Amino acid sequence: DAGVTQSPTHLIKTRGQHVTLRCSPISGHKSVSWYQQVLGQGPQFIFQYYEKEERGRGNFPDRFSARQFPNYSSELNVNALLLGDSALYLCASSFLIPGELFFGEGSRLTVL
Amino acid sequence: EDKVVQSPLSLVVHEGDTVTLNCSYEVTNFRSLLWYKQEKKAPTFLFMLTSSGIEKKSGRLSSILDKKELFSILNITATQTGDSAVYLCAVSDHDMRFGAGTRLTVKP
Repeated sequence: DAGVTQSPTHLIKTRGQHVTLRCSPISGHKSVSWYQQVLGQGPQFIFQYYEKEERGRGNFPDRFSARQFPNYSSELNVNALLLGDSALYLCASSFLIPGELFFGEGSRLTVL
Repeated sequence: EDKVVQSPLSLVVHEGDTVTLNCSYEVTNFRSLLWYKQEKKAPTFLFMLTSSGIEKKSGRLSSILDKKELFSILNITATQTGDSAVYLCAVSDHDMRFGAGTRLTVKP
């Protein structure tokens, strides 16, 4: 079975641009969460979706938004990129809330 | 403010040593505590703990939770170079809050 898949794996943007990151959960998982991991720190919670509804939001500005589609895949959008948005963005899916999170390999975003 | 604190932040040992990693937490509505191993990118699940005093074990790794004192430990016995990684502790309440991790380096 396929695990959590994320795309793209790497991308480079410039300040002010926007980015869309994509995530496909494990088949049968209805919950998707997004995390930002800056080098040397643990993952920071951004959003959680379950059955296409937002179930939680971390302490991130409104430039960050997300959605979950009917097939349970998800997108994370970040507008007006700042240098500080450079990070590894991890997507995780789970069968239950709360429950064991299964992580994708992440999307590494570099903002120049 | 909810927080998860791991210690030590980094640790260097030699193969065969036993290590203990610590995780303390303060969250409003505790549901579970999870341990993950992160080698390159994707953290991989190790344990989920919900009840105090019940040790979870998987090979050379074990973990236990103390809900009264609000902490958990992760033990690794007979360490191997393949155990080198960042070990993350996460606590679930309304969402999943991670600690900064402990970077373990096991030297041959």
